[in-house]
Amino acid sequence: RKEVEQDPGPFNVPEGATVAFNCTYSNSASQSFFWYRQDCRKEPKLLMSVYSSGNEDGRFTAQLNRASQYISLLIRDSKLSDSATYLCVVRRGTYNQGGKLIFGQGTELSVKP
Amino acid sequence: ETGVTQTPRHLVMGMTNKKSLKCEQHLGHNAMYWYKQSAKKPLELMFVYNFKEQTENNSVPSRFSPECPNSSHLFLHLHTLQPEDSALYLCASSQRGTSNTEAFFGQGTRLTVV
Repeated sequence: RKEVEQDPGPFNVPEGATVAFNCTYSNSASQSFFWYRQDCRKEPKLLMSVYSSGNEDGRFTAQLNRASQYISLLIRDSKLSDSATYLCVVRRGTYNQGGKLIFGQGTELSVKP
Repeated sequence: ETGVTQTPRHLVMGMTNKKSLKCEQHLGHNAMYWYKQSAKKPLELMFVYNFKEQTENNSVPSRFSPECPNSSHLFLHLHTLQPEDSALYLCASSQRGTSNTEAFFGQGTRLTVV
C-alpha cells in the first residue's frame, strides 16, 4: 500500500464547478500536511498547509481528519487557471526528527470553459 | 520567480556519458534535497543534505553521486545512467527546525538517457 494515496483522476469539470480531492495516509506518525500544485512540466509549488482545525484560503478549503488519516481539498467556483495536478503531501515527524516529505501520486484537474 | 535555480533545464545524455546537475538556492535555507519524478509516479526523495552534511540516501544507485559544497549549492553527478533513469530531477530547499516548513522547488532538469 502506498503511504500517501490520492484519487486517481483526472477530474474534468466545467468552469464554476466545485471539486473535491481526497487523500489518505497510512503512517500515523505523520505530523504535517500540505497540498502542492504542479503545472504541466513545472515544479511543485505549495498551495496551502493543512491544519487540524481546517483552513480556508479564498476559494480553497483544506481539511484534516487525523482519526481517519484523511485529508481533503475543496475548490469552489473553479477557474480555467486551476487546471493542474494537485499533490497531497505529508511529513513524517518534524524536520528536527528527520521527517521527510512524502508525496502522493497527484490528481490531475482540467477545468473546461 | 523561484528562489531555487536549477541548470540545465534539459539534458540528453548517452549511457556512457558523465554529466552534472546543478542547484542553487537564494533563500538562506539550511536543507537541500534531490527528488526524482518519473512519468505517472509520485516524487521520490533521493538525497537530503542538512548544513552540507548528507543525512539521507534513499537507496539510490551509485551511478547518482550528490555533492554539497556549501548550504547554497547542490550538485548531482551522473555517470553510466540507464534509460529508465530518464525523468524530471527536482531540487528543493527548506529551513530545517520549523515544524511546518514548506519545501521550495527548482524548475527541474528534464533528463533523457539515450
